[in-house]
Amino acid sequence: DTGVSQDPRHKITKRGQNVTFRCDPISEHNRLYWYRQTLGQGPEFLTYFQNEAQLEKSRLLSDRFSAERPKGSFSTLEIQRTEQGDSAMYLCASSSDRAREQFFGPGTRLTVL
Amino acid sequence: KNEVEQSPQNLTAQEGEFITINCSYSVGISALHWLQQHPGGGIVSLFMLSSGKKKHGRLIATINIQEKHSSLHITASHPRDSAVYICAALRGATNKLIFGTGTLLAVQP
Repeated sequence: DTGVSQDPRHKITKRGQNVTFRCDPISEHNRLYWYRQTLGQGPEFLTYFQNEAQLEKSRLLSDRFSAERPKGSFSTLEIQRTEQGDSAMYLCASSSDRAREQFFGPGTRLTVL
Repeated sequence: KNEVEQSPQNLTAQEGEFITINCSYSVGISALHWLQQHPGGGIVSLFMLSSGKKKHGRLIATINIQEKHSSLHITASHPRDSAVYICAALRGATNKLIFGTGTLLAVQP
């Protein structure tokens, strides 16, 4: 499978716990994006990596959120001290400099109880 | 006001009908994505276009850069086309996507 993969697909956690999500982009893609989608809404941009450098972060990304892409391949998104308002679908997408078209992973659905 | 607006928000059609979903944007963009999302499912890219028109099977997408408007057309609609259709604008040097709120399409047999 050469598409974008995300793990886990679903995560249920209690308020106050930390969670970490992983995204594996298409192998030759150097650009990686994280988006968040709440129920009934369109996705919103969270952060962008070009290779291993995190070049843009949305104001939506509070101090409790951190993202990494240490070797310019897979990326992780960690949420510390989760709140009920963090419940959402977290989407990862990747693209290349040449093609710009973004390809999405299946998403990780987070439920904070 | 959202930077990317879609209409209609909900659309019900009979099988075989010609469907149009509209998208307008108020900011400068480098290109526009049309995306499809099934309930509970991931997002699939249908088109990315920066000018003119693209066609793939029964789907046609057009964009008018001067008017900041794009349309997605579905010819001979089928129940399997039922999904949420989202337009998203590529913005800035990072090409991050700014999404519309989506159009929920239901095609009835």
